[in-house]
Amino acid sequence: EAGVVQSPRYKIIEKKQPVAFWCNPISGHNTLYWYLQNLGQGPELLIRYENEEAVDDSQLPKDRFSAERLKGVDSTLKIQPAELGDSAVYLCASSLGKGTDTQYFGPGTRLTVL
Amino acid sequence: RKEVEQDPGPFNVPEGATVAFNCTYSNSASQSFFWYRQDCRKEPKLLMSVYSSGNEDGRFTAQLNRASQYISLLIRDSKLSDSATYLCVVRSGYALNFGKGTSLLVTP
Repeated sequence: EAGVVQSPRYKIIEKKQPVAFWCNPISGHNTLYWYLQNLGQGPELLIRYENEEAVDDSQLPKDRFSAERLKGVDSTLKIQPAELGDSAVYLCASSLGKGTDTQYFGPGTRLTVL
Repeated sequence: RKEVEQDPGPFNVPEGATVAFNCTYSNSASQSFFWYRQDCRKEPKLLMSVYSSGNEDGRFTAQLNRASQYISLLIRDSKLSDSATYLCVVRSGYALNFGKGTSLLVTP
């Protein structure tokens, strides 16, 4: 069974540029999460989707970050404009049910903002 | 104060050693507890869940003390392949709260 797929794996951009990350969860998983992981830290939740609905986006910096999961399957996380402090790994995870099931993580997108 | 606090590490141990990691959490209403493993430049993967009765998976033993809000992971007979970062994770509601992680390096 395929795991969580993310692309790109690496992205280098200059500050003030836009960037987008894509995630395809495990087939049949209704819940999708985007996490941010800074160097030397654990992942921190940005947003959680139940199907196409964003049920928890309280930690998403909405001035520059946006996300969508239009058909309740794959998802895109966007940053516009990117800042130096956005350099981090962006992890996508999915779980079968309403967030109390085991979360499976994708390999992440490593973003470097110059 | 972070919701999940872990030993700062890093831990450098020889092969065959026993090593223990500790973790405390601040939210007494937390429902579920886990240890995740993260290899360098890889994603976190579930190592094991942690139960109040204690649970064991091969060389790994996890313990939970709800009264003290304390979680531990014991690794016996360390292998080179155990080298990784171990993340203490606590679930409160639907959110997973991760500790910073403790780095383990097992040397020959």
